[in-house]
Amino acid sequence: EDQVTQSPEALRLQEGESSSLNCSYTVSGLRGLFWYRQDPGKGPEFLFTLYSAGEEKEKERLKATLTKKESFLHITAPKPEDSATYLCAVMNTGFQKLVFGTGTRLLVSP
Amino acid sequence: DADVTQTPRNRITKTGKRIMLECSQTKGHDRMYWYRQDPGLGLRLIYYSFDVKDINKGEISDGYSVSRQAQAKFSLSLESAIPNQTALYFCATSEGAGTEAFFGQGTRLTVV
Repeated sequence: EDQVTQSPEALRLQEGESSSLNCSYTVSGLRGLFWYRQDPGKGPEFLFTLYSAGEEKEKERLKATLTKKESFLHITAPKPEDSATYLCAVMNTGFQKLVFGTGTRLLVSP
Repeated sequence: DADVTQTPRNRITKTGKRIMLECSQTKGHDRMYWYRQDPGLGLRLIYYSFDVKDINKGEISDGYSVSRQAQAKFSLSLESAIPNQTALYFCATSEGAGTEAFFGQGTRLTVV
C-alpha cells in the first residue's frame, strides 16, 4: 500500500529563516511525486512534480528535491505570504491516483 | 473564472437527507476525482472517473455515489447523510497519467 508521511506537522519560522519540509514515501513504483500548497478554506494549488531521484525544481523561494525514499521542500528566506499548509502526494505507475500526506502547516512571522 | 467550480460552497443538512455536490471544469480534461479532507487525515479519494463511461471507487466510497454527466461535469451524492460525513469535499481534474491535478475551491458540508 502506498504511503506518504510528512514532517513536521507544523513549523513556525521567522521571516527570512530558511528551513525544509520532509515528505517520506513508500510506493510500489513511482510515477510522480507532487507538492501542493493549500491556504485555509481553499483547494490545493499545484506547485511541483518530480519524476525521478535526483530531480530538482524551483519556484521563487521554494525548491523541491527527490530521492528514492523522500522529498524535501526547501524554503529560502520565507515571507509571511508563504504561510500555508504544504501537501505532498505520490502517484504510482499502476493505479495512477494521488495518495496524499497529511501536510505541514507553515507559519511565517514578520 | 475558476477552472474547477464546485457548488454549493457551504451546506448544512440533516441526518438522513440526500444531498448532491456538483463539480464542473473548463480544463477539457477527461479525468475527474472526488476527495474528502478531514483534520489529521489528509485528502482521501472517494471516487474517480477517467472518462465519461468510466467510474471507479476510491478508498472511502461507502455511503457515496457519483454521476459523470459529461466530460466537464462530475457530481457526488450522499444518499442518506450521516454526521461523520461532515468534511471538506474537493473535486479535481487532471489531463492524464502522471500529470498534476487541479482542485476546486471545495464544499464545506456539515451534517447535523
